[in-house]
Amino acid sequence: EVQLVETGGGLVQPGRSLKLSCVASGFTFSSYWMYWIRQAPGKGLEWVSSINTDGGSTYYPDSVKGRFTISRDNAENTVYLQMNSLRSEDTATYYCAKAIAAAWGMDAWGQGASVTVSS
Amino acid sequence: DIVLTQSPALAVSLGQRATISCKTNQNVDYYGNSYMHWYQQKPGQQPKLLIYLASNLASGIPARFSGRGSGTDFTLTIDPVEADDTATYYCQQSRNLWTFGGGTKLELK
Repeated sequence: EVQLVETGGGLVQPGRSLKLSCVASGFTFSSYWMYWIRQAPGKGLEWVSSINTDGGSTYYPDSVKGRFTISRDNAENTVYLQMNSLRSEDTATYYCAKAIAAAWGMDAWGQGASVTVSS
Repeated sequence: DIVLTQSPALAVSLGQRATISCKTNQNVDYYGNSYMHWYQQKPGQQPKLLIYLASNLASGIPARFSGRGSGTDFTLTIDPVEADDTATYYCQQSRNLWTFGGGTKLELK
């Protein structure tokens, strides 16, 4: 059974940093692209970042580019999201997700980690 | 950026057909595939993949769900609608980076 478990969420002040982790199991982690998607309270889904199988290619929307960094450790079956210079608008539930295949849709999602940016 | 537009809400009766639309401002077709996917999200839960590449049923999804479309116009159909289908449905493109539509909330009449 595919499982994705996010950790690292919490309350953080504006301008500070936070690092999310997502531990994967039940599939060959190193063979799949991984994603982070967020959902602000009462709002829709927003793609946050993507990483290819070996970590050599990463992608971000303009809203987080330069502040967030996605990375992965295939030996530890873990994908990370380093979030710097956090803003109130980054408050959301952050999901990690696995691709069926590159660009083919996200067929497994974690339960999400809640991040609140507030003073 | 590719923008996806969905109607905010749809109300249908039990046992009837629900058709949810998603329109993009750019073509999401590439080399014979349409890079459009559909998700279901119930309150308090993570999203679930229903349809990938416009018309392919994801694993474990009942055949009541189907997807069609190409280019810039796509639809998700649920036929017949069951009570458990009340949820918000999102389309998502992966032709150029990744973006989601705003979601369509399906309610029962």
